Amino acid sequence: GNSVTQMEGPVTLSEEAFLTINCTYTATGYPSLFWYVQYPGEGLQLLLKATKADDKGSNKGFEATYRKETTSFHLEKGSVQVSDSAVYFCALRPWGGYNKLIFGAGTRLAVHP
Amino acid sequence: DAGITQSPRYKITETGRQVTLMCHQTWSHSYMFWYRQDLGHGLRLIYYSAAADITDKGEVPDGYVVSRSKTENFPLTLESATRSQTSVYFCASSEPGQGVDEQFFGPGTRLTVL
Repeated sequence: GNSVTQMEGPVTLSEEAFLTINCTYTATGYPSLFWYVQYPGEGLQLLLKATKADDKGSNKGFEATYRKETTSFHLEKGSVQVSDSAVYFCALRPWGGYNKLIFGAGTRLAVHP
Repeated sequence: DAGITQSPRYKITETGRQVTLMCHQTWSHSYMFWYRQDLGHGLRLIYYSAAADITDKGEVPDGYVVSRSKTENFPLTLESATRSQTSVYFCASSEPGQGVDEQFFGPGTRLTVL
């Protein structure tokens, strides 16, 4: 079946540190991959996406590359800010999945000044 | 209000009571979804709808009922609430074929069942 596994949090970093949040997936065919972000007290927002192998999604300084050979979609940012503190969800849309998303458990990021 | 809204934002109820959570979107998106968010599980799909009068089960549908008589509304009903249904519920909508495959989420409803 389809599933998403994320690294457990919380991840605690100092401002300007490098961020990596690992995400691996299991899926048949050619899923689309997403990172969503949830700020405190809010709903989820799309951060970035990739629809085929070797695609790189990027937004607000965050990047993730769709690696089919390792079934991974790790989220990275070179220099985090306090305002990046949030919960990050990796998700996949199965091939032919009619817009249904399958989410990972989420990783909480806390950035300190 | 433009966008996707949920009501109520907070609800406390008792075991056995019926509860309805409302979701309204102003974009005329075809697809609407209900998720529940629990620690350690991320978001799990309860039900979804591809259009008015078309609904289908997601991963965790037991104990929930949905309807969609109008495109813009997608209420979720807990027919007889149980403590295990204490959770944060998110509604989302999307429109396939607009290139992004993005789901737009409401602010959530925090439900506590005593």
